[in-house]
Amino acid sequence: GENVEQHPSTLSVQEGDSAVIKCTYSDSASNYFPWYKQELGKRPQLIIDIRSNVGEKKDQRIAVTLNKTAKHFSLHITETQPEDSAVYFCAASSSLTGTASKLTFGTGTRLQVTL
Amino acid sequence: DAGITQSPRHKVTETGTPVTLRCHQTENHRYMYWYRQDPGHGLRLIHYSYGVKDTDKGEVSDGYSVSRSKTEDFLLTLESATSSQTSVYFCATSGEGGEQFFGPGTRLTVL
Repeated sequence: GENVEQHPSTLSVQEGDSAVIKCTYSDSASNYFPWYKQELGKRPQLIIDIRSNVGEKKDQRIAVTLNKTAKHFSLHITETQPEDSAVYFCAASSSLTGTASKLTFGTGTRLQVTL
Repeated sequence: DAGITQSPRHKVTETGTPVTLRCHQTENHRYMYWYRQDPGHGLRLIHYSYGVKDTDKGEVSDGYSVSRSKTEDFLLTLESATSSQTSVYFCATSGEGGEQFFGPGTRLTVL
């Protein structure tokens, strides 16, 4: 089955700096890679995702890059703000459009943005 | 967020008792999932459903069963709860596009 590794487990940055979280996956058939943000005591929230036919996707201060050859993908947050503090999870799935999307998650990165 | 609800939100039970958790959605999504979240493990898939009465096992299905009698509801049952099943349980749904959206979670404690 799929295995997703995520690093680092904790990350502390100063407000305004950039943060990068990296994930690797094992199954070359994986084709969908979402990122979730989870605040303390809350549900995971989908913040951005990328499919294997795209190398990079950006949404305001958040971007995700995908390297299919190396089987890794990364989340980039620029101009970090205190409200970015949360746990971030990457995930991977090999599902086709119109089928169940069975996600395998990384173990999470706790991001702390300090003033 | 209001489109997916879970009940109960918190439950304390004793070892050996049966427990049923409910997920209800108003999104009319075809696919529904149950995950458990434990420190150091992220979220792990327990079971999922790809339609009414159609379910399949996930990564950590031992000790759990599910049922889906209508599109809106997906039930997770622990036939005989054990302390290792103490966890936070999240339901999720997805439509044909594949993006998964999560419910608010149920914190289950098995004493």
